[in-house]
Amino acid sequence: EVQLVQSGAEVKKPGESLKISCQGSGYTFSAYWLGWVRQTPGKGLEWMGIIYPGDSDTRYSPSFQGQVTISADKSISTAYLQWSSLKASDTAIYYCARRHGSSWSYDYWGQGTLVTVSS
Amino acid sequence: DIQLTQSPSFLSASVGDRVTITCRASQGTSSYLAWYQLKPGKAPNLLIYATSTLQSGVPSRFSGSGSGTEFTLTISTLQPEDFATYYCQQVNSYPYTFGQGTKLEIK
Repeated sequence: EVQLVQSGAEVKKPGESLKISCQGSGYTFSAYWLGWVRQTPGKGLEWMGIIYPGDSDTRYSPSFQGQVTISADKSISTAYLQWSSLKASDTAIYYCARRHGSSWSYDYWGQGTLVTVSS
Repeated sequence: DIQLTQSPSFLSASVGDRVTITCRASQGTSSYLAWYQLKPGKAPNLLIYATSTLQSGVPSRFSGSGSGTEFTLTISTLQPEDFATYYCQQVNSYPYTFGQGTKLEIK
């Protein structure tokens, strides 16, 4: 069974750093692109970027380029999303999701990680 | 970037109704268009991929159609569990983008 399990909720202060994770199981982790999606009440779902764990090829949305870093460690089937300096506007739910091999839609999703940034 | 505009943004309907949601793209997306259902506290659920292919396990009352820049999601007979927010997504070119969402509410 394919599963994506994300790390738990985080509460941080503005300016702090953060790295959240997404561990895949039940499939060949290195062979599927894995994306990150932000959900906020005001903007709905936003596509942040995607990584191919096999060679760490990464693409970012221009809206998030330079704001976050996406990485992966295929040896432990885990992808990461990190911030070096959080802002209050980063408060959101973050999902990882596997890209379907041929249709390129996202067929499996993590349970989401709530990140709250508040002073 | 390809912009996706969904209409309507809000839709009020009753159990048993047939509803259609439209997704218009600012440029062609070939057939690389997907639809997701989002419920509070749950991860998005893939309903339709490649414009019209039903994801495994999704009820057949959901269907998708379209081409080029205009796509639709239709729910043939609304069930209580269908009241949720629906998003289209283009996966034709980076950055993959989502529509703004359509919230389907009970009338």
